[in-house]
Order: sequence, then structure tokens, then C-alpha cells
Amino acid sequence: QSILTQPPSVSAAPGQKVSISCSGSSSNIGSSLVSWYQFVPGTAPKLLIYANNERPSGIPDRFSGSKSGTSATLGITGLQTGDEADYFCGTHDRSLNAEVFGGGTKLTVL
Amino acid sequence: QLQLRESGPGLVKPSETLSLTCTVSGGSINTNEFYWGWIRRPPGGGLEWIGSVYFTGGTYSHPSLKSRVSISIDTSENQFSLTLTSVTAADTAVYYCARETAMMISGIKYWGQGTLVTVSS
Repeated sequence: QSILTQPPSVSAAPGQKVSISCSGSSSNIGSSLVSWYQFVPGTAPKLLIYANNERPSGIPDRFSGSKSGTSATLGITGLQTGDEADYFCGTHDRSLNAEVFGGGTKLTVL
Repeated sequence: QLQLRESGPGLVKPSETLSLTCTVSGGSINTNEFYWGWIRRPPGGGLEWIGSVYFTGGTYSHPSLKSRVSISIDTSENQFSLTLTSVTAADTAVYYCARETAMMISGIKYWGQGTLVTVSS
């Protein structure tokens, strides 16, 4: 059972927009910075968003992040078939003094 | 470009010890800017942070694994290692090594490709 809660799956058509939610508590998302990761089989995981809404260099602006209270959201616009992957949110939990992640969301581009 | 690569046995028997090493290239692990950590993903499951080590040798680990986890660093070899004792089938997972920032302030930009470790007799 993951500390952070994500929907197991989302889907949308190419060119459309999708949002993936990540819900936590005051001891993690509510008091720490959130990051988002893309997992594609056979490749190293990729950092998409850090510090709630910052994109590393090389990440297209189709990917965006936001945070409100104890929840965070990853947005992806202009969906491409290459975006099919598992997406995870992560943050620091001050009560556990540990990094925590969500259960992951599988994105299907129909 | 920093690269991390995990190495170690892909099969471990129940009750035995899992040992993995992460070799870092393209940069030194002897730095006060980052932590060097281990994260795992069980089949069909979410990510679980195992713990991390600082260049001084100081370690941090998840409370649920603390009693079984040991993480060490060898700055001369630019490597860091994980040992997990008394493994069970629940420890079967893809294990990733990664370069971390304190409290994930800047996220985890560099990861290894991961190595599957199966616990089975």
C-alpha cells in the first residue's frame, strides 16, 4: 500500500490532454516538494517535474506539474503514442523521514 | 553525462542476503551535493524508497526496512552498495540505484536502468 495515492490507469486519444492526480497528507505533499517520473520498460526512469512545477532541461512543455494542499497533479498535453508509460509521483515524508512514492498510473494513448 | 549501473545476483534464496552494487561513471560520488540511493519496484507494484548514503558514509533508510538494510559507499571505486538480509518473496523487485537530493528537493534526475532480483528457492 503506497503512501501516496494515484489512479491505477488513465487513457486518452492522441493529441488530447490528460491529468494524473497524486494524493497525500500534511506530512508529505502538504509540506514537501513533489516530483514526477516516467517509467518506460527497458529504459532508465525519467524525471519529468521537480519542485512541484519545474521541468528539467530537455523535458517538453507538454508536461506540467501543480500542487494544491495535500494533492499534486501531472498534466500532459498533445498526447503522443510515445507517452505511453507508467507515471509516479514522489516526495519527502517528514513523519517517516523517508522518501515516498505513489502506486503509479499507467497511461494508455488510445 | 552521469551514468549509474546496478550489478549483482538476479536470484536469491529465501532467508539469505541480497547484495547489489551501483557503479557510477561520468561524475564523482565524492560530493556533498547529493545522496546515493536505492529504490525498488515490486512486480505490479509501486515504488519503494529503500535508503541512501552520503559521501561521508552516513546512511538513511526507510523505517520499514531499517532493521534489514545496510548501505555503504566506496568513493575510491565510485561505487555504493546495498545489502538486504533475511529476504522473502516480498523482496522480489526491480532494484534501482539513483542520485538523490536532500528531501527530493530537486527530484531524482539520474537513475540506473534497474536490475530484477527474484527471491525464490
